Amino acid sequence: DAGVIQSPRHEVTEMGQEVTLRCKPISGHDYLFWYRQTMMRGLELLIYFNNNVPIDDSGMPEDRFSAKMPNASFSTLKIQPSEPRDSAVYFCASSRDRNTEAFFGQGTRLTVV
Amino acid sequence: KNEVEQSPQNLTAQEGEFITINCSYSVGISALHWLQQHPGGGIVSLFMLSSGKKKHGRLIATINIQEKHSSLHITASHPRDSAVYICAVRRGNQFYFGTGTSLTVIP
Repeated sequence: DAGVIQSPRHEVTEMGQEVTLRCKPISGHDYLFWYRQTMMRGLELLIYFNNNVPIDDSGMPEDRFSAKMPNASFSTLKIQPSEPRDSAVYFCASSRDRNTEAFFGQGTRLTVV
Repeated sequence: KNEVEQSPQNLTAQEGEFITINCSYSVGISALHWLQQHPGGGIVSLFMLSSGKKKHGRLIATINIQEKHSSLHITASHPRDSAVYICAVRRGNQFYFGTGTSLTVIP
């Protein structure tokens, strides 16, 4: 398996634009996690899914953020409208179950100008 | 107050030294994770612990549930171990992260 695949690797966008980040988890993994990492706040869990169903989205900062998992092999994290303070590295991770280790994607570095 | 505290924040060691990174947490947990983030930014999960001790190569992780404390040890450290090590704990559906320990191993 190629591991967790995220796209794009880098995204630069203007304030107010919609941004969509994509993630393909490892096949057979039932859990998918979206994280955000900034210098100020470190690593934060935004939302996670089990079998495509959102389990906990309490980490999603605002209504501007939304995440979907339409099937077991694809998830998106959308920010609309984007703001400069959303600039961060966004990681996606997947795990076989809640009690096993998670595998991380390479991250998407988002810059909102 | 952070639910997860790591120490030290920064650590510089000579190649070959034995290294210990500590993680203390204030909540009851289901599991504790040690993550490694290399300078390029990629994150690797090193260990997931709920009790006892795990070993993988030169890395050893221990956890004491009663004391709410975990340690990550690196034996015979090498410059390629230079990275940020992050402790994370899970409590039910909640995850809490330490701010990381930045390790530099000098040849």
